[in-house]
Amino acid sequence: QKEVEQNSGPLSVPEGAIASLNCTYSDRVSQSFFWYRQYSGKSPELIMSIYSNGDKEDGRFTAQLNKASQYVSLLIRDSQPSDSATYLCAVNEGGTSYGKLTFGQGTILTVHP
Amino acid sequence: NAGVMQNPRHLVRRRGQEARLRCSPVKGHSHVYWYRQLPEEGLKFMVYLQKENIIDESGMPKERFSAEFPKEGPSILRIQQVVRGDSAAYFCASSPGFPDTQYFGPGTRLTVL
Repeated sequence: QKEVEQNSGPLSVPEGAIASLNCTYSDRVSQSFFWYRQYSGKSPELIMSIYSNGDKEDGRFTAQLNKASQYVSLLIRDSQPSDSATYLCAVNEGGTSYGKLTFGQGTILTVHP
Repeated sequence: NAGVMQNPRHLVRRRGQEARLRCSPVKGHSHVYWYRQLPEEGLKFMVYLQKENIIDESGMPKERFSAEFPKEGPSILRIQQVVRGDSAAYFCASSPGFPDTQYFGPGTRLTVL
């Protein structure tokens, strides 16, 4: 069974610090990788997508992908209390399952003032 | 620009009734996905549809659940003879194509009494 695993939380960081969220996936043919943020009682909101090895930066967010290690991460710089949410790693498997996103269980992030 | 729209936002049904959940994708998006989030659990893929076609229904329970995306009108997720275990948040997502990013709607919270 194809799996997506995220580092166990909850993760608590002080305001202004860097939050590091990690994710590993089991299927080597996976093509596309996404980070979503979900506030309690709300729907997932896209933060970043990444398709090739290396880093991708967007404002305070940096996604890192290493396909050889089957690892994807999200760094949040200058963390703010408004970043407190559950962060979901999602993987699009490709192949015959190309429409399907497989989600990790989520990491709860708390940024305290 | 309207995002993905879902209605109703909250739905209460008694055991044995039918539930119909509707999803209108982002204008111009022809790919629709349904996911379910059970209480305290992660997001699970249910079905992927394009106009008038079911592409992947590998995540759909074998009984009582069906989905459609007609040529005209919204996508419908139908649950017949609901049971308490069907209580969950049901999210619809859409994308313009593959392997484009999926954008999520606000969800329908189904409660089965």
